[in-house]
Amino acid sequence: GENVEQHPSTLSVQEGDSAVIKCTYSDSASNYFPWYKQELGKGPQLIIDIRSNVGEKKDQRIAVTLNKTAKHFSLHITETQPEDSAVYFCAASRTYSGGGADGLTFGKGTHLIIQP
Amino acid sequence: DTGVSQNPRHKITKRGQNVTFRCDPISEHNRLYWYRQTLGQGPEFLTYFQNEAQLEKSRLLSDRFSAERPKGSFSTLEIQRTEQGDSAMYLCASSVLREIWSPDTQYFGPGTRLTVL
Repeated sequence: GENVEQHPSTLSVQEGDSAVIKCTYSDSASNYFPWYKQELGKGPQLIIDIRSNVGEKKDQRIAVTLNKTAKHFSLHITETQPEDSAVYFCAASRTYSGGGADGLTFGKGTHLIIQP
Repeated sequence: DTGVSQNPRHKITKRGQNVTFRCDPISEHNRLYWYRQTLGQGPEFLTYFQNEAQLEKSRLLSDRFSAERPKGSFSTLEIQRTEQGDSAMYLCASSVLREIWSPDTQYFGPGTRLTVL
């Protein structure tokens, strides 16, 4: 089955600086890679996702890059703000031509701390 | 609020008791997923429904666990003879298939936190 590794487990950055979280996956058939933000006591919230036919996607301060050959994908947050403090999870899954899909396989999470 | 809802939000039970959780997906979402999340870990996939059909089960879903989605709308997850190792956050997510090969964008509910004493 799929295995997703995520690093670092904790990341502390100064407000206004950039943050980068990296993930690797093992199953070359995976073709969908979402990122979720989870605040204390809440369910994961989708912040951005990317499909395997795209190398990069950006949404305001958030961007995701994907290297299919190396099986790496990364989350980039620029101009970090205090409200960005949370746990971030990467995930991977496979969508099939018939419309079926595997459940998401998540990394272990990165606790992002924004220092004021 | 039109998001995924889960009830109850918290459940404390004694070992050996049965518990049942409910998930109401986003309206018209035809897919519904259950995940389990333990402290400091990412969610782990348990099972998945498309409409009322249960299409996949993880090996994590022991025979003490059963899930249903009888009318293709809300779903229930039952744990029989609970054990202390069942203590976790149980998350539900829903999605909708718009077209073949479309990403399966899953939206999560707030979860039900289970504590087994």
